[in-house]
Amino acid sequence: DAGVTQSPTHLIKTRGQQVTLRCSPKSGHDTVSWYQQALGQGPQFIFQYYEEEERQRGNFPDRFSGHQFPNYSSELNVNALLLGDSALYLCASSRVIYNEQFFGPGTRLTVL
Amino acid sequence: SQKIEQNSEALNIQEGKTATLTCNYTNYSPAYLQWYRQDPGRGPVFLLLIRENEKEKRKERLKVTFDTTLKQSLFHITASQPADSATYLCAPTDSWGKLQFGAGTQVVVTP
Repeated sequence: DAGVTQSPTHLIKTRGQQVTLRCSPKSGHDTVSWYQQALGQGPQFIFQYYEEEERQRGNFPDRFSGHQFPNYSSELNVNALLLGDSALYLCASSRVIYNEQFFGPGTRLTVL
Repeated sequence: SQKIEQNSEALNIQEGKTATLTCNYTNYSPAYLQWYRQDPGRGPVFLLLIRENEKEKRKERLKVTFDTTLKQSLFHITASQPADSATYLCAPTDSWGKLQFGAGTQVVVTP
């Protein structure tokens, strides 16, 4: 079992650009959540997908959007990048009936 | 607004002693509370989950308590080892599975 995988590992973009991050959940998991973690802070919840629909959303602007595919994998899209979007983006998967989440290694996004 | 507070200062502890970490939350009534471990540059790893109707949960050398009246959880690592050195995150969780993480407490265990 490969666990949760994320791609790419690192990414450098400039302000105003758009970025897409990808996540494959752990085998058997149907729910995917995305988090943003700034240096020295805890992960901040962006949104959660279940059955290809956004089920919950944190306090993030509409520039952050996502998608879940029929195979449960997910994408996070960020438009009009700002310097403050530089962070580690974490994907976590779980089974809908359980709450413990399994995290991927993250994608380190740097916005210049 | 919801607020989750963990000890911001690193906890330095000698090997073999018990480390105790605190998590306080306000303006929130979580259905569960979870604790995760995070090593530098890596994603958090799940450790323990305790429900609102449970007072205490144990797993090997780890123990968690949950006081919904005080709005506080305590996390204990007994017989600490250098390999326990990491940042520990608490995450009150709503009934839909939405986690709100604290900033974490760094634990350093010295031989």
